[in-house]
Amino acid sequence: QVQLQQSGPRLVKPSQTLSLTCAISGDSVSSQIAAWNWVRQSPSGGLEWLGRTYFRSKWYIYYGGSVQSRLVISTDTSQNHLSLQVMSVTPEDTAIYFCARESTDGRWDYWGQGTPVTVSS
Amino acid sequence: DIQMTQSPSSLSAAIGDRVTITCRASQRFSGYLNWFQQKPGKAPKLLIFSVSTLHIGVPSRFGGSGSGTDFSLTINNLQPEDIATYFCQQGYEAPFSFGGGTRVEI
Repeated sequence: QVQLQQSGPRLVKPSQTLSLTCAISGDSVSSQIAAWNWVRQSPSGGLEWLGRTYFRSKWYIYYGGSVQSRLVISTDTSQNHLSLQVMSVTPEDTAIYFCARESTDGRWDYWGQGTPVTVSS
Repeated sequence: DIQMTQSPSSLSAAIGDRVTITCRASQRFSGYLNWFQQKPGKAPKLLIFSVSTLHIGVPSRFGGSGSGTDFSLTINNLQPEDIATYFCQQGYEAPFSFGGGTRVEI
């Protein structure tokens, strides 16, 4: 059974860097038949895709959304996890952040539990 | 970028009703259309992928259809446990995009 366990701070000050981790069990972050996504959900409920990474003989990373210039997605194969950094956060980055697995047939079948993050001084 | 417009934003129905939620894409694509159910405080849960394929363990009263730019989710015989918010999502082309959500109430 695949499980994604998220961790990270719930309160971050403006201008700081938000760092989140998604620990994977039951699968491998370097699986050649999966991709790993980050999504966030605003307080109003809208879902925004932030980026994805996957391994197909080499690593691929893609970013999207309104904040892509401030994002860094990385992986740690020894720890079997993926990470998201959001730099120079503002209150508009207040959201619930999710990681999610995407299989090659396009199904987003496993999600982390979500990390609610508030950006406030 | 593909935009997904979902309607209605909310609906109220009775137990046993048939409910239909629609999503319209800003450009045509094929295949990679997912539907999710989300309950308060929980992560989205996959219901349907590839437009019409039921995910494992999802009750058969849920169904998906559509093609091109127009897609729909149907819930037959609405049950109390179906009270939730539903989202469509295109996984065809990055940046992957979600519909705005439909809140289903009794």
